[in-house]
Amino acid sequence: ETGVTQTPRHLVMGMTNKKSLKCEQHLGHNAMYWYKQSAKKPLELMFVYNFKEQTENNSVPSRFSPECPNSSHLFLHLHTLQPEDSALYLCASSQEGQGPYEQYFGPGTRLTVT
Amino acid sequence: AQTVTQSQPEMSVQEAETVTLSCTYDTSESDYYLFWYKQPPSRQMILVIRQEAYKQQNATENRFSVNFQKAAKSFSLKISDSQLGDAAMYFCAYRSPNYGGSQGNLIFGKGTKLSVKP
Repeated sequence: ETGVTQTPRHLVMGMTNKKSLKCEQHLGHNAMYWYKQSAKKPLELMFVYNFKEQTENNSVPSRFSPECPNSSHLFLHLHTLQPEDSALYLCASSQEGQGPYEQYFGPGTRLTVT
Repeated sequence: AQTVTQSQPEMSVQEAETVTLSCTYDTSESDYYLFWYKQPPSRQMILVIRQEAYKQQNATENRFSVNFQKAAKSFSLKISDSQLGDAAMYFCAYRSPNYGGSQGNLIFGKGTKLSVKP
């Protein structure tokens, strides 16, 4: 595997389900990110982890819970979601410390909440 | 706060022709980075080109080049000899450097959907 991988690629879940999204980066980076991409909206940054420490939480509802066990893996735990949470969830990674801070993205998980 | 504006929601270009996508940004910083990302229908976001604000020379990557006008806060992307595979959403993004313990974040525009006609 190379780059940034995400599983599953598609997920359909009911509002009472609990599921998790997984992201893995094979680039040796030290920062990872979760973004939400909805139709006709700019990408929304949800969470940032730098050296496994969460450094940003952009007022994300508590029904989204991130976990970063090490600098290569990132999870997004989902529970009691709402239909408006249906979107493409993108994971990214970067090497922080010195520019240019390019972020590399995974293919995304298309989430549908029914 | 920094903002990124892409004023063209959709653009169209004939195959083999040249097209320019616009991007403007607002910032009070003097040191920053700018990027163009491409997101084809398969949805994998791919970095196309980057520009460091301290560099006066415009970045070029094969058929992709930028026109970076720092004073005007403009960062347009030119695609030469357009190909069918260039059809995608293109996002302009701004990133400030890290200061002390604070990490800058990537700020995206809303994107421009580029269609390529055969």
